[in-house]
Amino acid sequence: KAGVTQTPRYLIKTRGQQVTLSCSPISGHRSVSWYQQTPGQGLQFLFEYFSETQRNKGNFPGRFSGRQFSNSRSEMNVSTLELGDSALYLCASSSGTWNTGELFFGEGSRLTVL
Amino acid sequence: EDQVTQSPEALRLQEGESSSLNCSYTVSGLRGLFWYRQDPGKGPEFLFTLYSAGEEKEKERLKATLTKKESFLHITAPKPEDSATYLCAVQGGGATNKLIFGTGTLLAVQP
Repeated sequence: KAGVTQTPRYLIKTRGQQVTLSCSPISGHRSVSWYQQTPGQGLQFLFEYFSETQRNKGNFPGRFSGRQFSNSRSEMNVSTLELGDSALYLCASSSGTWNTGELFFGEGSRLTVL
Repeated sequence: EDQVTQSPEALRLQEGESSSLNCSYTVSGLRGLFWYRQDPGKGPEFLFTLYSAGEEKEKERLKATLTKKESFLHITAPKPEDSATYLCAVQGGGATNKLIFGTGTLLAVQP
């Protein structure tokens, strides 16, 4: 059974640009969550999607957005990049059962903003 | 505000030297406490779920326990392959999979 796949794995952008990250969940999983991981803050929740609907959103500015498609694949977008957006962005999927904290993470997309 | 604090930040053990990692939390309406392991360059890997005070879970050399204010991850006779960052997370109330993570404990086990 294939795991969670994130693309691209690494990318470098400059301030002011925008970026789109992609996540393919485990087959059959309908819930996708996104987290930002930095050395100082650890993992911070960005948002969660379930059956194409945003179910929850973290405390990030509106520059961070996401969506989920009918096949459960998800994308997140960051516009007007800032230096502080440099981080590892992790996608996690779950079976979609309500209130399960057993998440399956991808290996992440490492974003560097110059 | 929901919060998770892990200690110590880093821990170095000799192979076979048992120890414990701590996770203290404040959350309104705890639905679950979770332990994850993260290896360098990888995403976190799920280890345990604990739902109520007094509950214990075991997996190989790891044992997780839960009280009303904290959780412990006990590592018995660790091996070098147990070296990783161990993350604790809580899930509060509401119909969501959102987890609040601690910043982790970096464990190094030397042969």
